[in-house]
Amino acid sequence: EDQVTQSPEALRLQEGESSSLNCSYTVSGLRGLFWYRQDPGKGPEFLFTLYSAGEEKEKERLKATLTKKESFLHITAPKPEDSATYLCAVQARKGGNTGTASKLTFGTGTRLQVTL
Amino acid sequence: SAVISQKPSRDICQRGTSLTIQCQVDSQVTMMFWYRQQPGQSLTLIATANQGSEATYESGFVIDKFPISRPNLTFSTLTVSNMSPEDSSIYLCSVQRGSGRSYEQYFGPGTRLTVT
Repeated sequence: EDQVTQSPEALRLQEGESSSLNCSYTVSGLRGLFWYRQDPGKGPEFLFTLYSAGEEKEKERLKATLTKKESFLHITAPKPEDSATYLCAVQARKGGNTGTASKLTFGTGTRLQVTL
Repeated sequence: SAVISQKPSRDICQRGTSLTIQCQVDSQVTMMFWYRQQPGQSLTLIATANQGSEATYESGFVIDKFPISRPNLTFSTLTVSNMSPEDSSIYLCSVQRGSGRSYEQYFGPGTRLTVT
């Protein structure tokens, strides 16, 4: 069974204080690892898909990296508007063209608060 | 990207009643996904809806409780039947875009359901 564990559960940073969020996973053949941002009362906002170990992607102050066991979301010089819950999800590589092949398994997220 | 809308955005329902949630996507997609996010928990896939065929349900979810329709390639509905307070959740519609080694999965804004 695919599993995703995110840490820490909550993180409080001062503006400009860089840090990293962790996503550890076990999956029977990784097809993709997804990062999302979710604001209260809203649906998840897509950030990145990573496909293989060693891959990195960047968007503004966010940089996602991937190894065979975990992914990190690095936040450089965060601002208060970066405050949100960050979700990680994995998609397994499975045969056929069924819905199961595209299922995302989510972690419980990291609640990030950035203060002035 | 994908523009996904859901109706209603929120509702308060009495136990024993049913609610149908609509999901509209801005362009055609093969598969649409329905997720549930219970209070304080992460997202869990309910089912996958393919146009022209019956939905595929994940373990723990059944068609009698969560019937799904997929009349065309841009629209789907999820019905939550015979509701109980345990069904209070956010229900999210999702689509995947892309293929091969470049794809992304997008979510709608969600429907917040409270069952009293």
